Amino acid sequence: KAGVTQTPRYLIKTRGQQVTLSCSPISGHRSVSWYQQTPGQGLQFLFEYFSETQRNKGNFPGRFSGRQFSNSRSEMNVSTLELGDSALYLCASSRTGTGGSGANVLTFGAGSRLTVL
Amino acid sequence: GEDVEQSLFLSVREGDSSVINCTYTDSSSTYLYWYKQEPGAGLQLLTYIFSNMDMKQDQRLTVLLNKKDKHLSLRIADTQTGDSAIYFCAESILKTDKLIFGTGTRLQVFP
Repeated sequence: KAGVTQTPRYLIKTRGQQVTLSCSPISGHRSVSWYQQTPGQGLQFLFEYFSETQRNKGNFPGRFSGRQFSNSRSEMNVSTLELGDSALYLCASSRTGTGGSGANVLTFGAGSRLTVL
Repeated sequence: GEDVEQSLFLSVREGDSSVINCTYTDSSSTYLYWYKQEPGAGLQLLTYIFSNMDMKQDQRLTVLLNKKDKHLSLRIADTQTGDSAIYFCAESILKTDKLIFGTGTRLQVFP
């Protein structure tokens, strides 16, 4: 069964531009969450979507946004890019997300590495 | 508050056991997880433990949880060079997909 697919894997942007990253979850998984990984801040939660609704949101500025489509695929967008936005952006999917029973077993994609110049 | 701490580096000889430690602060954590990240890759779930358990064993992996001290450890028996990676502990708050990750421990295995 296919894993979590993130595109693009690598991209380079300049300050002020915007970027859209895509995530296709594992088939049957309805929850998608996004994380930012940087050397300085480590892994930080961005947001979680379930059935096209944002359920949880991390402590990031409004320049970071996301959405989820009816087929559970998700996109995140960062506008007005800053140098500090350079990071590995990881997407994860799970069956039920928040409120589900049992452990939240997240399956992560390989990530999209964004470099802002 | 939410804060998860790990030591940054661990170096072990091939065949020895590795013990990676983690401390967390949120007593409402329901599940605690261990993830592995290899270079250029995403995170791979290794194992997890429910907060009312003390220990969980899964092949070469043993997880110990001391809830009173908020201390979690991962023991890897017979460590191999393929175990070289960064290991993250994480806690989930109220069974959400919002995981609070530790700083990560880089495990280096030498022959």
